[in-house]
Amino acid sequence: AQSVTQLDSHVSVSEGTPVLLRCNYSSSYSPSLFWYVQHPNKGLQLLLKYTSAATLVKGINGFEAEFKKSETSFHLTKPSAHMSDAAEYFCVVSDYTDKLIFGTGTRLQVFP
Amino acid sequence: DTAVSQTPKYLVTQMGNDKSIKCEQNLGHDTMYWYKQDSKKFLKIMFSYNNKELIINETVPNRFSPKSPDKAHLNLHINSLELGDSAVYFCASSPRTGVKTNEQYFGPGTRLTVT
Repeated sequence: AQSVTQLDSHVSVSEGTPVLLRCNYSSSYSPSLFWYVQHPNKGLQLLLKYTSAATLVKGINGFEAEFKKSETSFHLTKPSAHMSDAAEYFCVVSDYTDKLIFGTGTRLQVFP
Repeated sequence: DTAVSQTPKYLVTQMGNDKSIKCEQNLGHDTMYWYKQDSKKFLKIMFSYNNKELIINETVPNRFSPKSPDKAHLNLHINSLELGDSAVYFCASSPRTGVKTNEQYFGPGTRLTVT
């Protein structure tokens, strides 16, 4: 069965500093992995996805993630945080039945 | 030019009532989904439909009944509402089913509060 573990429930950074949101996955086959973002009282927006092409995936708003099979990780990074990045971030794995299996989320706070 | 829309945005009702949430997508997608997000922000799939056919039914109480009149609409009807049904319900769509690389497009959510 597929699963994802988001290692931090909360991450706080100062504006202009790097962001690292950690995600480990478990899958019995080559997975598809996604990062979604949810701003307060909003729906979910896709940031980026990995589908077994390039292991370094670039997304919207300057975010990127690297798929590391040896570490079963798919961490999300951004070189410089912006106040507007404050939100809930979900690491997600997909199985062949179309089910998206969500992690428990990481709340990113950005301080001025 | 809203992609996935849901109505209503907020729904407050009493235990025992029956209510419906509507979802529409104008992306031309074949597959639609309902997710439930609990108070701890955990998201779990409830149902998926492909071209009006039920594909996924994730051990949801049978008080919840999805209905898809056409592939652009997927409504969720809930009978005999209980306190534990309070949550945010998200509708989503994707181009087709059975493809693990499918990305799903989410609606803005419906916050259901049962008192």
